[in-house]
Amino acid sequence: GDSVTQMEGPVTLSEEAFLTINCTYTATGYPSLFWYVQYPGEGLQLLLKATKADDKGSNKGFEATYRKETTSFHLEKGSVQVSDSAVYFCALRPGYSSASKIIFGSGTRLSIRP
Amino acid sequence: AAGVIQSPRHLIKEKRETATLKCYPIPRHDTVYWYQQGPGQDPQFLISFYEKMQSDKGSIPDRFSAQQFSDYHSELNMSSLELGDSALYFCASSLGQINEKLFFGSGTQLSVL
Repeated sequence: GDSVTQMEGPVTLSEEAFLTINCTYTATGYPSLFWYVQYPGEGLQLLLKATKADDKGSNKGFEATYRKETTSFHLEKGSVQVSDSAVYFCALRPGYSSASKIIFGSGTRLSIRP
Repeated sequence: AAGVIQSPRHLIKEKRETATLKCYPIPRHDTVYWYQQGPGQDPQFLISFYEKMQSDKGSIPDRFSAQQFSDYHSELNMSSLELGDSALYFCASSLGQINEKLFFGSGTQLSVL
């Protein structure tokens, strides 16, 4: 079945460091891909999305490119801030038309040191 | 702005008891999703409703049932609770059935003793 695999955490970086969180997926057809973020004590929030191959989603300095050839959707940010500390979830919506559910990866906890 | 409200935030039950979790979506949202996240695990999709009808079903045990009411709030009913049901239960809502912009509640932490 469809699934998402993302790098295990926790990931600890210093402020202004470059961030990459790897995500790969398994899916039939053409899924939509997402990154969700969960700040402490809050629910998940959509961070960015890409709906077709080679699309780049971006928001708040974060970027991810839908790579069909490598079935990947890695999250990157050029200079992280302490406020980026959160848990990041890679996710997909299956490509078949009746799909309404979103399938999540296991999450990667990111901690940024001042 | 109003967000997705889940109640209760925390719930402690014993084995074989029943539990009811409630979810109040963002006003005007017509689609509700339920997810279960065990300790250190992925959020697993349980079930979703669109316009008060079940729209998709995931790995929801037969001991669980859910429904969406006329005011669009949803309840997840869990019976014959087992230790393995201890998890964080998230509800999310969206406007429309195929909308990737899900808004999540903060979850209900269920502990089964």
